[in-house]
Order: sequence, then C-alpha cells, then structure tokens
Amino acid sequence: SQKIEQNSEALNIQEGKTATLTCNYTNYSPAYLQWYRQDPGRGPVFLLLIRENEKEKRKERLKVTFDTTLKQSLFHITASQPADSATYLCAHGGNNRLAFGKGNQVVVIP
Amino acid sequence: KAGVTQTPRYLIKTRGQQVTLSCSPISGHRSVSWYQQTPGQGLQFLFEYFSETQRNKGNFPGRFSGRQFSNSRSEMNVSTLELGDSALYLCASSLNRGGNEQFFGPGTRLTVL
Repeated sequence: SQKIEQNSEALNIQEGKTATLTCNYTNYSPAYLQWYRQDPGRGPVFLLLIRENEKEKRKERLKVTFDTTLKQSLFHITASQPADSATYLCAHGGNNRLAFGKGNQVVVIP
Repeated sequence: KAGVTQTPRYLIKTRGQQVTLSCSPISGHRSVSWYQQTPGQGLQFLFEYFSETQRNKGNFPGRFSGRQFSNSRSEMNVSTLELGDSALYLCASSLNRGGNEQFFGPGTRLTVL
C-alpha cells in the first residue's frame, strides 16, 4: 500500500543552525509533495509544494528538495529561530484528498 | 479575508451520542475536506465535498457522514460515538479540486467519555 513516512523523533537544534527533515514515500510515485507546519492546538498551515519535475523549491528560509530516485523529500529550515519550533508535516494527494506523514517536531533552542 | 472557521472548538460527549461539527470555508472556496487527527494515527482524510457533492471518501465507517450546503459551508456528523472517536477534527478549504494548497481551520476537539 502507499505509504508516506516521516521520522517521528523530535529534532532539537541550536538557533542559527539548519534543520533538515526527511519524508519518504513507498509503493507509488506522487506527482507532488506538500509541506505544512502545525503548532500545538492549531490546524496545519501550508508552506511549500514541490512537483516531481522540480528538484528544489525555496521560500524565504525554507528549502524543499524532491528526489524521485530515492523516493524522498528533504525539508530544510536555514538560520533556524525559536519561532520555527513546531511540527512539520509532509503530504501528498490529489483532488484535496491529502495523505499526511505523522510529522516531525522541531525544537529550536535559543 | 477571514480564514476557515470551525464550530464548536471544544465538545465533550458520551458514548452512543451523536455529534455535528460545522465548517465555514474561506469566501470563494468551493471545496471542503475533513480530517481526523489523533496522536496514534496522525492526520487521516475523512471526506471531501465540492459543489454540494461528496467527491472523495476516506477509510472510515458509515457512522461518519457529512454534507455541504449551497454556500459551501459544510457539516460533518458522527453517530453512535465511540471512545476512539476522540480526536481533533480539522476542516480544510480549497478554491477548487486542483490538489493544491489547503487552508485549515483551527479544528474541533472532540472528547468522548
């Protein structure tokens, strides 16, 4: 069956460093992947979408890559700040039916 | 533009009862999707409505149902509540069915006792 997986362990990172999260998918080839941020008690907020023919996408301090050979997307937060502390979710799907990974919690230590 | 709103924000029910949750999408958005979020299963897709018709359904029992009105507002209903239905129920709206970004509401926290 199709699976989208994220490492469930929390990532603790020092302020100013780059946080890197991994999203792996198996048994299918998504046309695109999306990344969302979720803060405690709130709904996810869309960050970036990357299509299979795009190797890399950037938005401010965020960067996403998509490697169809490795079946993997990497999400980077450069120059991390305490305000970046949240759970980050990757998702795929079409027609507004998204399948989400379990998410990665990021804690940026001042 | 106002964001997606969901009511109520918190709800406590007992087993066997039924519950109705409401979602108002962003103005102009025609697609509404519902998700259930639990610590164990994460975010799982329930169903999607577009133009008052259910277009997609996730792998949930028939106790979970929904509808969409002509103004795109949507409701979901859970009948015969079980303890395992305790979760955060999230509604997301999109302009169309193109599969692009979804805008999520704050969710309704349902606790079943």
